[in-house]
Amino acid sequence: DAGVIQSPRHEVTEMGQEVTLRCKPISGHNSLFWYRQTMMRGLELLIYFNNNVPIDDSGMPEDRFSAKMPNASFSTLKIQPSEPRDSAVYFCASSRPEGGSYNEQFFGPGTRLTVL
Amino acid sequence: GDSVTQMEGPVTLSEEACLTINCTYTATGYPSLFWYVQYPGEGLQLLLKATKADDKGSNKGFEATYRKETTSFHLEKGSVQVSDSAVYFCAAGEAGTALIFGKGTTLSVSS
Repeated sequence: DAGVIQSPRHEVTEMGQEVTLRCKPISGHNSLFWYRQTMMRGLELLIYFNNNVPIDDSGMPEDRFSAKMPNASFSTLKIQPSEPRDSAVYFCASSRPEGGSYNEQFFGPGTRLTVL
Repeated sequence: GDSVTQMEGPVTLSEEACLTINCTYTATGYPSLFWYVQYPGEGLQLLLKATKADDKGSNKGFEATYRKETTSFHLEKGSVQVSDSAVYFCAAGEAGTALIFGKGTTLSVSS
């Protein structure tokens, strides 16, 4: 089991540029979560999907952020245009269907984003 | 809405000291409860969990008991090691919903 895979691991970009973060969940998991972690705000849920459908995107900070899950094995989080305050570590997590381990989420290693 | 509150850190201990990190939750339903650990530069890992009242989760010498009457899930360890230095997150959630995480507690253990 390869675990949740995220790419890139590190991203440095300039303000105004588009940033795309990628996530491959664990095979067989049907829920996928995007989180953002900063020193000031801690761990924040941005959006989550069940069976590729966005269920709750209330944590997405603003229209500059968008997330997609075109199939069960891939998701993207896009920021356009990026701003320095978007600098954070972005985590992707996945979990099994209901009836398995209740809501146990498996986290990827994260993408450290720095916007200059 | 539902929420999780855990004690603020940092917590600084000497090796072999006892550890308790308090966690309480508020929920309209009957959530499962979790402790996750984050080592420097890594993602969160599940440390232990409990799915119903009076269940005790345990792993690597850590324990936590689901106390429905006090809506608590305190993390304990009898003798901490330097390698336990990390950030610990308490979380709660019901099946089919996203987990709600506490703000995290940083533990630093010195030899």
